[in-house]
Amino acid sequence: DTGVSQDPRHKITKRGQNVTFRCDPISEHNRLYWYRQTLGQGPEFLTYFQNEAQLEKSRLLSDRFSAERPKGSFSTLEIQRTEQGDSAMYLCASSSGLAGVVSYNEQFFGPGTRLTVL
Amino acid sequence: AQKVTQAQTEISVVEKEDVTLDCVYETRDTTYYLFWYKQPPSGELVFLIRRNSFDEQNEISGRYSWNFQKSTSSFNFTITASQVVDSAVYFCALSDRHSNNAGNMLTFGGGTRLMVKP
Repeated sequence: DTGVSQDPRHKITKRGQNVTFRCDPISEHNRLYWYRQTLGQGPEFLTYFQNEAQLEKSRLLSDRFSAERPKGSFSTLEIQRTEQGDSAMYLCASSSGLAGVVSYNEQFFGPGTRLTVL
Repeated sequence: AQKVTQAQTEISVVEKEDVTLDCVYETRDTTYYLFWYKQPPSGELVFLIRRNSFDEQNEISGRYSWNFQKSTSSFNFTITASQVVDSAVYFCALSDRHSNNAGNMLTFGGGTRLMVKP
C-alpha cells in the first residue's frame, strides 16, 4: 500500500511565474485536502475535495490559487503570479469517508512540496 | 471558532528522560476529535493518535501515552524514556462539527519541537 505522494518535492520559481503541484492520494481514499505550512508554524487548511467535488475553500486561498481533482483521484494545486509570500510547504492529505456522512477519520499526509519564490 | 494552543515551542531533554507535550484546545462543539501528529526532520506528518470528545480514558501505546481532560480542555502527550529518534516537531490538532463542513478539516497548533540529546 503506497502512501500519499506529491510532486515535485521542491520548486524554486521567480515572482510572477505560475506553478502547479500534484498530489496522488491513497487509492481508496475519496477525501483529499491541501494545507500550507510556513516555517515554524502548524499546517493551515486550504481546500478539501470529496471525490471530484471541491466542497470547501479557506479564506487563505486567494483568487490566484486554484485546485482541481478532475476524476476524483489525483489533485493539482496551481498558483498563478506567485508572490514571495507564497513561499511555504504545501501539504496534501487524504482520508476515507463517505459523501454526506460526518466522520473524523485520520488524515494521511504526503511529504509536501516546498515552494520558494525568489 | 476553534483553536489549538501548544505553549511549548521547544523542549530539550536528555535521552531516557520522560517528557510531556501540552495541548490546549478551544471549541464550542460538544462533538469533536483530537489528534497528534509527528513531523520528523524529513518533513512528512505522521499520524499518532485520534481521540473523540466522549472518551476521556487515557491511552497508552508503548512509550507513548495521552491524557485527555475535558475539564481543562487539554490533550497532553507524554513520551516515556525518550530516545534520540523521538526528536521531531509534534502537532496537536482539532476537528469539530463546525469544521466538518470541510469533511473533518484539521485545525493545528503551532507545534512543539522536541530535541532528545544522547
